[in-house]
Amino acid sequence: AQKVTQAQTEISVVEKEDVTLDCVYETRDTTYYLFWYKQPPSGELVFLIRRNSFDEQNEISGRYSWNFQKSTSSFNFTITASQVVDSAVYFCALSGPIIQGAQKLVFGQGTRLTINP
Amino acid sequence: NAGVTQTPKFQVLKTGQSMTLQCAQDMNHNSMYWYRQDPGMGLRLIYYSASEGTTDKGEVPNGYNVSRLNKREFSLRLESAAPSQTSVYFCASSEASRDRRNQPQHFGDGTRLSIL
Repeated sequence: AQKVTQAQTEISVVEKEDVTLDCVYETRDTTYYLFWYKQPPSGELVFLIRRNSFDEQNEISGRYSWNFQKSTSSFNFTITASQVVDSAVYFCALSGPIIQGAQKLVFGQGTRLTINP
Repeated sequence: NAGVTQTPKFQVLKTGQSMTLQCAQDMNHNSMYWYRQDPGMGLRLIYYSASEGTTDKGEVPNGYNVSRLNKREFSLRLESAAPSQTSVYFCASSEASRDRRNQPQHFGDGTRLSIL
């Protein structure tokens, strides 16, 4: 069975600090996909990044960066120089191989990030 | 471009009442999904439809039925609502490409459902 663990339930930092959100996953599939979604206070889910199991290259997008390590089954998310607008709940999610075109996502419990001014 | 549209946004039901949540997408995606979000548990898959005419159970299907009316629309029905079904319901859609790059799911804004 697939499982995603976000051990940090809540994180609170002061603006401009760097913060890392942890994500550990479990899967028996050799092909799988990892995602991060942001859920701001308004409630919608915003896609941030997708990473395939066969591509371990880390990625940076502005102040956001992601560290994918298959050896430790982790896909951590770092926000550099955090801003108040980064305050949200962040979800890590995992899906197995595409079957008949569908991807079934398994979500972690989410980490509530609060950036204080 | 609306993306994924869910109706209604809010609903209060009494135990035992029935209700259909509507979802429509305008991105010509083949696959559609229904999730529920409960506090502290993240999102869990209820049902999904890989393509028009097919539906399959997800992780928590009990108490729900779905209908893939056409390529655009995927509805979720509660036949006899129970307090345990109080949750926020999200519909999503996606399109899997053949080049192994798994496209992300696009989510609607959610339906907040309370069952008294």
